[in-house]
Amino acid sequence: AQSVAQPEDQVNVAEGNPLTVKCTYSVSGNPYLFWYVQYPNRGLQFLLKYITGDNLVKGSYGFEAEFNKSQTSFHLKKPSALVSDSALYFCAVRATPYNTDKLIFGTGTRLQVFP
Amino acid sequence: DGGITQSPKYLFRKEGQNVTLSCEQNLNHDAMYWYRQDPGQGLRLIYYSQIVNDFQKGDIAEGYSVSREKKESFPLTVTSAQKNPTAFYLCASSNLGRYGYTFGSGTRLTVV
Repeated sequence: AQSVAQPEDQVNVAEGNPLTVKCTYSVSGNPYLFWYVQYPNRGLQFLLKYITGDNLVKGSYGFEAEFNKSQTSFHLKKPSALVSDSALYFCAVRATPYNTDKLIFGTGTRLQVFP
Repeated sequence: DGGITQSPKYLFRKEGQNVTLSCEQNLNHDAMYWYRQDPGQGLRLIYYSQIVNDFQKGDIAEGYSVSREKKESFPLTVTSAQKNPTAFYLCASSNLGRYGYTFGSGTRLTVV
């Protein structure tokens, strides 16, 4: 079965420290992977995606993610966290069969950055 | 600017009422989607449509209905058969083959 797991409900980090938000996936074939961010009472905003190519993907607002095929992971990272990064983060994978663009979302991880 | 618009932002429904949530996009995207968001459960797919006059059920379609009469519009009706409709509803669109969604800002539905 296709699925996305975000094992941490919440991640706490001090401003200026590096942050990691974890994501693992289960899908047959080559995965198409995405990260989105949601601020309170708003829709989701696209951060970055991995389709093919370099395993390290750079996205918006200084975020990056590393695709690791052997560990079936796509962890979101940022070298230096900002208080304004505090939000809800969702990992997603494109569902198979690939005749649609349907995405399967994880349950979300709340990132709290403390000053 | 191109985008996807959901209205209203807040909606209150009485028991036994049907309500319709609006979703309009001017991105010329082929596909549109409705998701329901509940705390701790992430986003769950209700319905999606890849082409005008065609749509498919998602994982939690019971108690909901949709139509796709125009490419730009994909309204969602929450019927009285939906027993627990209080949630945040998100509409999204995508250009097939370009990968990834554009989301609307959501509608928060509350049963009173």
